[in-house]
Amino acid sequence: QLVESGGGLVQPGGSLKLPCVASGFTFSSSWMSWVRQAPGKGLEWVANIKQDGSDKYYVDSVKGRFTISRDNAKNSLYLQMNSLRAEDTAVYYCASGGGSYGGGYFDYWGQGILVTVSS
Amino acid sequence: DIQMTQSPSTLSASVGDRVTITCRASRSVGSWLAWYQQKPGKAPNLLIYKASSLESGVPSRFSGSGSGTEFTLTISSLQPDDFATYYCQQYNSYSYTFGQGTKLEIK
Repeated sequence: QLVESGGGLVQPGGSLKLPCVASGFTFSSSWMSWVRQAPGKGLEWVANIKQDGSDKYYVDSVKGRFTISRDNAKNSLYLQMNSLRAEDTAVYYCASGGGSYGGGYFDYWGQGILVTVSS
Repeated sequence: DIQMTQSPSTLSASVGDRVTITCRASRSVGSWLAWYQQKPGKAPNLLIYKASSLESGVPSRFSGSGSGTEFTLTISSLQPDDFATYYCQQYNSYSYTFGQGTKLEIK
């Protein structure tokens, strides 16, 4: 199970940190990812992180603004979002998988958390 | 980035029909392609990975095929629970990208 929290309304230029708590699988052995979906739109992969946190990848539109991190001791994944823009408004999903070398599909998903960027 | 294009965008079908959704990649993704089903207000659910491997627990009426740039998802006999939106996703290279989705509607 994956449970996201921390969403809500934030002003343009503001910051927000999304936590995701994992249970029921070996979190420390899994690549983890964030995927988002703007209202009424399709899915967009945002970022992923290797099991030990040594490798991280981002979609171009969030590079330099978002940071993915994890704490394996707490079975937790995070997404720090800075300099938020209206176009970042979306439901953010925490997902297991999304790794490199053929493991890039997402096999477990959280329920999603809505982030709204608006003044 | 690799662009993924699904067709059709909307598909109307009846219970019991056989339906096929196509996904085309702007360049080869090998067999690194997945399919997901998403119902309104819910998270996506993995159906197929590596183009044709059925995820555990997914009914056998779902199947995937293809390689390179052209892929298909087939539902052999539509059930009422199958009316949803379907997405393909390539994971051959970053940034991982999804198709725009195919909405499967009841005729």
